[in-house]
Formats: sequence, structure tokens, C-alpha cells
Amino acid sequence: ETGVTQTPRHLVMGMTNKKSLKCEQHLGHNAMYWYKQSAKKPLELMFVYSLEERVENNSVPSRFSPECPNSSHLFLHLHTLQPEDSALYLCASSQGTYNQPQHFGDGTRLSIL
Amino acid sequence: DAKTTQPTSMDCAEGRAANLPCNHSTISGNEYVYWYRQIHSQGPQYIIHGLKNNETNEMASLIITEDRKSSTLILPHATLRDTAVYYCIASQGNLIFGKGTKLSVKP
Repeated sequence: ETGVTQTPRHLVMGMTNKKSLKCEQHLGHNAMYWYKQSAKKPLELMFVYSLEERVENNSVPSRFSPECPNSSHLFLHLHTLQPEDSALYLCASSQGTYNQPQHFGDGTRLSIL
Repeated sequence: DAKTTQPTSMDCAEGRAANLPCNHSTISGNEYVYWYRQIHSQGPQYIIHGLKNNETNEMASLIITEDRKSSTLILPHATLRDTAVYYCIASQGNLIFGKGTKLSVKP
């Protein structure tokens, strides 16, 4: 699946660092999503953007800050993370948010030291 | 979104059909049934979805019972590369992932 590209694939950072995860979709979709997948836990939806507007924020701590500058790009800005934030962060896109399949990237594996 | 129930794990012989069941007895009329799979270290891959009618694409077939309370994903000729965790989701919008079924295809 090359339609949704995430960079970097791996990231190691300290708790005081600031970093950003990037997602780009080449599918012409207008909705984008961030998910978190911790070890041995199901995927958890974090944020939903539709037409570049945030439409859902699932009680995510403020140390995670999403940004959607246009319909093809989605960022997740990270600041002062905790060790429990170590996880696989997945981006997805779809054509609309209602009854449309989502297409996922391969994620960024984040490790917090 | 309706809750779905899937077996924790299944085995399938290479070359045989893999039939993965899913129960979604509380599904509402406008919720679709989606199937995704996740191979280790990769993002979930969309397989197929349907509302009422059976669906088929190049990857799989989806059989939905007439009362829509359950469905079966069929991989007609399983290969070793089909070893993955398969997720069944009933939704009209956001996807709520459960634990899925770990399918192991064996030689």
C-alpha cells in the first residue's frame, strides 16, 4: 500500500524533545485520521480531520497536537511525551467519513526514553 | 458502532479456503461490515466491506447472513502471506478495532 506514506518509520526521542510525525496521502481523499496502537492493545482512534477541519478528538492529552494544512497532509506534533506514549502511530485516509473504507500507512514506531 | 465477536485464532492449510467468522448481532441498519487485516509491523490493510449483499473482490469474498447478525470472510486459496490478524468491524463512520482473529496459514 503506497497510497498513504508516513515518515519517519522509526523515532526515538527523550521526554523533553519536540518532534513531528508526518503523513501524506496520494489517494485524493478528504478525510484523515491518527490512530495509536500500543503493544498488545487494539488500535485507538486519536483524531479525525474532514476537509481539513478537526471533527473528532478522542480525549487525547494535549502533548499530542495534530495539524492538517491541506487534504493531503497530516502532522502529529509531539511535546513532552511520557514512556507510556511509546507505540505505533498510524495514519489513515478516506473519501469522506461516512461509510467509506479507510486506507492506512505503515505507521511510525515511536519509542520514548 | 456495533460490537463484533471473532475467534481469537484460527489455522488454515496453505491452498485451502480460510473462512473467518464474525458475529455482529447488534448491528444497526446503516452500519456496514468492514474487514481489515494487519500483518506484523505494517498498517491495517482494507480487504472488503458490505451492507447486505455478498461481496467479492480480488482479495476475498464477504458473506453476510440475511439477518445481518453475522458474516464470514472467505480467502479462497490461502497462502503463507495471508498470515495476519483479521479485524471485523461494524460501523457507519469511525472504525473501532477489537482484538481480531489471528490467522496462521501453515504449509
